[in-house]
Amino acid sequence: AQSVTQLDSQVPVFEEAPVELRCNYSSSVSVYLFWYVQYPNQGLQLLLKYLSGSTLVKGINGFEAEFNKSQTSFHLRKPSVHISDTAEYFCAVSDLERGATNKLIFGTGTLLAVQP
Amino acid sequence: DGGITQSPKYLFRKEGQNVTLSCEQNLNHDAMYWYRQDPGQGLRLIYYSQIVNDFQKGDIAEGYSVSREKKESFPLTVTSAQKNPTAFYLCASTELWGAGETQYFGPGTRLLVL
Repeated sequence: AQSVTQLDSQVPVFEEAPVELRCNYSSSVSVYLFWYVQYPNQGLQLLLKYLSGSTLVKGINGFEAEFNKSQTSFHLRKPSVHISDTAEYFCAVSDLERGATNKLIFGTGTLLAVQP
Repeated sequence: DGGITQSPKYLFRKEGQNVTLSCEQNLNHDAMYWYRQDPGQGLRLIYYSQIVNDFQKGDIAEGYSVSREKKESFPLTVTSAQKNPTAFYLCASTELWGAGETQYFGPGTRLLVL
């Protein structure tokens, strides 16, 4: 079965430092990949998604992610974080081998804690 | 503004009681979804609906029921058969049913057991 692994449950970082949140998925021929952000006690909001084309995807709030098929990874990066980036970040995958489905498999989330 | 509304924000359930969580969208989206979120477990799909008057079970449908009588509404009932209902429940929608569509989420309902 398709699965998503977010290796870090928490990532503490100082303000203005760079950050990388890691995401790996189980191997499949074709996948669509997503990063969502969740602020405390709120719903999720799409940061970015990879469907096809360039493996470097730019999203909102200065975030970007790189799709690496050989490593089956889709790590999220930001060169300089702000206090307001403190939130939980979820990686998700849509397995295209199961047909045209919107069913997403979510990782367990990474809490990004930005400290002043 | 277009979006998804969920009510109530907090809901308390007594033992043996059925409760219904509301989800309404004014985005004119075809597909709607219900997820359950527990600490450290990410989101798990309960039910989804590709189109009005149609819905399918997700990965953890036991103890839950839904209906989709109107395009804009997708209520979730947590029945007494759900033995561990305490969780944060999220409703989402997509414009179409198809891979790659962005899911738009509501603000969630937190269900607590008395």
